[in-house]
Amino acid sequence: EAQVTQNPRYLITVTGKKLTVTCSQNMNHEYMSWYRQDPGLGLRQIYYSMNVEVTDKGDVPEGYKVSRKEKRNFPLILESPSPNQTSLYFCASSIDRDLNTEAFFGQGTRLTVV
Amino acid sequence: QQQVKQSPQSLIVQKGGISIINCAYENTAFDYFPWYQQFPGKGPALLIAIRPDVSEKKEGRFTISFNKSAKQFSLHIMDSQPGDSATYFCAAGLLTGNQFYFGTGTSLTVIP
Repeated sequence: EAQVTQNPRYLITVTGKKLTVTCSQNMNHEYMSWYRQDPGLGLRQIYYSMNVEVTDKGDVPEGYKVSRKEKRNFPLILESPSPNQTSLYFCASSIDRDLNTEAFFGQGTRLTVV
Repeated sequence: QQQVKQSPQSLIVQKGGISIINCAYENTAFDYFPWYQQFPGKGPALLIAIRPDVSEKKEGRFTISFNKSAKQFSLHIMDSQPGDSATYFCAAGLLTGNQFYFGTGTSLTVIP
């Protein structure tokens, strides 16, 4: 089954404690991205990756890091989480940015930073 | 500056009625306008998308209307059903730019 898998689904952490949210896709997609979803703000892109070792900032990259060492994995790293990073995070992948290609989203990771 | 503005924030429609969600965008260079549907506890899923070279695209009960001169596009859901109750997001961006901007979402409730 084609899917994007995020882990963990839920996470509560303390300010300053480094964490990683993993994202893996089994569709051999080249393009992957991370979004955060906040009430009243919709989805905002954090980082995206065109392919292995190719990443770039999205709309709200501050406080986040990513890496793309393998095609299937695109982890999101919060080096020193802060309460304003409490949000619902989604990873997405697609073959490329073509109209006929569907973008697949993971089920989300709800992060709470206290 | 918000690149994509979406309205209304919430919408209640009777079963069988037409649901209409509107979006406006800023950047005239944008050339890809998808709509996503999100059910509670799930990630968004692509519903339908349009390029600016056409004014309308229809897939089943879902239609996108596109007005390039006004920089607006809208989603029409005909014969709305309770199963359509979800949050809908519009988005806009460049197919070659790899960065997309989403609207703030519309929570649709279809009452039986």
